[in-house]
Amino acid sequence: LAKTTQPISMDSYEGQEVNITCSHNNIATNDYITWYQQFPSQGPRFIIQGYKTKVTNEVASLFIPADRKSSTLSLPRVSLSDTAVYYCLVGERLNSGYSTLTFGKGTMLLVSP
Amino acid sequence: EAGVTQFPSHSVIEKGQTVTLRCDPISGHDNLYWYRRVMGKEIKFLLHFVKESKQDESGMPNNRFLAERTGGTYSTLKVQPAELEDSGVYFCASSPRGGAYEQYFGPGTRLTVT
Repeated sequence: LAKTTQPISMDSYEGQEVNITCSHNNIATNDYITWYQQFPSQGPRFIIQGYKTKVTNEVASLFIPADRKSSTLSLPRVSLSDTAVYYCLVGERLNSGYSTLTFGKGTMLLVSP
Repeated sequence: EAGVTQFPSHSVIEKGQTVTLRCDPISGHDNLYWYRRVMGKEIKFLLHFVKESKQDESGMPNNRFLAERTGGTYSTLKVQPAELEDSGVYFCASSPRGGAYEQYFGPGTRLTVT
């Protein structure tokens, strides 16, 4: 059973706001929601993390409803360079007691001129 | 500040040979993780170090894979002997103490086993 579900792909034009929604129905009480971005031939890059309500940084905003069963990554005024795969992740608790990341298939965002 | 570096960027070896991948984490990061993506699949966790101590290797596919982290600094991942299904991209990531979710990834090593 996938921990997260998100669209396989999305298309947008430059200058538009893009919202990518992720479902995580079985999120644990102490899990954080984290989003990563990955360009071809590069490793994933941390974008934003949140637990509840809204988080904003210089790159994106993350909206989390009260039930925390979903989250929405919002990218304001995208540019061509935002074309990438975006991953929504919730934590995975290891037997060691530490946590790591579990990657799903991600959402391929294509930004066109 | 230097990011996570990995060496080599690409390695092509024959089945049965040995390959050693290296990862240099960000200085001062206690946590070091190895992940890999095989063809068409998601990125999968392999193992986790805290300093020089191997905390969890539940994602290691089999005993042909051996990871070490000398002195809590750089880490190596050895595959011996390599099989065709080991082909993929191997990522290393590091994070400071307590920073399990904000990990800094290296560019990856693409391993091709022929």
